[in-house]
Amino acid sequence: QKEVEQDPGPLSVPEGAIVSLNCTYSNSAFQYFMWYRQYSRKGPELLMYTYSSGNKEDGRFTAQVDKSSKYISLFIRDSQPSDSATYLCAMSGTGGFKTIFGAGTRLFVKA
Amino acid sequence: DTGVSQNPRHKITKRGQNVTFRCDPISEHNRLYWYRQTLGQGPEFLTYFQNEAQLEKSRLLSDRFSAERPKGSFSTLEIQRTEQGDSAMYLCASTPGKKAGQGLDYGYTFGSGTRLTVV
Repeated sequence: QKEVEQDPGPLSVPEGAIVSLNCTYSNSAFQYFMWYRQYSRKGPELLMYTYSSGNKEDGRFTAQVDKSSKYISLFIRDSQPSDSATYLCAMSGTGGFKTIFGAGTRLFVKA
Repeated sequence: DTGVSQNPRHKITKRGQNVTFRCDPISEHNRLYWYRQTLGQGPEFLTYFQNEAQLEKSRLLSDRFSAERPKGSFSTLEIQRTEQGDSAMYLCASTPGKKAGQGLDYGYTFGSGTRLTVV
């Protein structure tokens, strides 16, 4: 079993839809939770960064962390065609430097 | 500062040849990371530098792989006697490291990667 599980999709939604992306994990030592966006043939770009449990909002993006369930989510409101990309969840432990990534979910937003 | 720079962007090499990639991190970042990403997968950790010191290497990094970061600035990743299984995107990332009074910063800034194809 992988430390981080993420549905690879693809996920296809119409423009304006609310998108929900999720990851589960098995290592209770993870304390830092990130979401990255990766366009084709580019490096990942940090979208959201959360410490421990709770919610964090940044514009159209909301990240949620539920450590009791070992479950994290990213919500995208009013999705746009430019949001079409692969979304990677990632997590790391306190004092650690190695980040574990999910396999990524491919998202397509249709105009 | 233009971010994390990686060269070359693409490299095609014959099996058995040696290849070297270069990463220039953001200038004030003292932590540098190498990751490898294959198609349909997330990045996998290879190695990590704090300034010029290489502090951890993954089991994925066989004896054919070596990384250096002389003077704590740019870094190079060399693969000797390449194999077809080495074909992947090699990503470099950097972080500021510990900020005074702010704890550790875990958000990476990635470069665009070097895509290696071994034929």
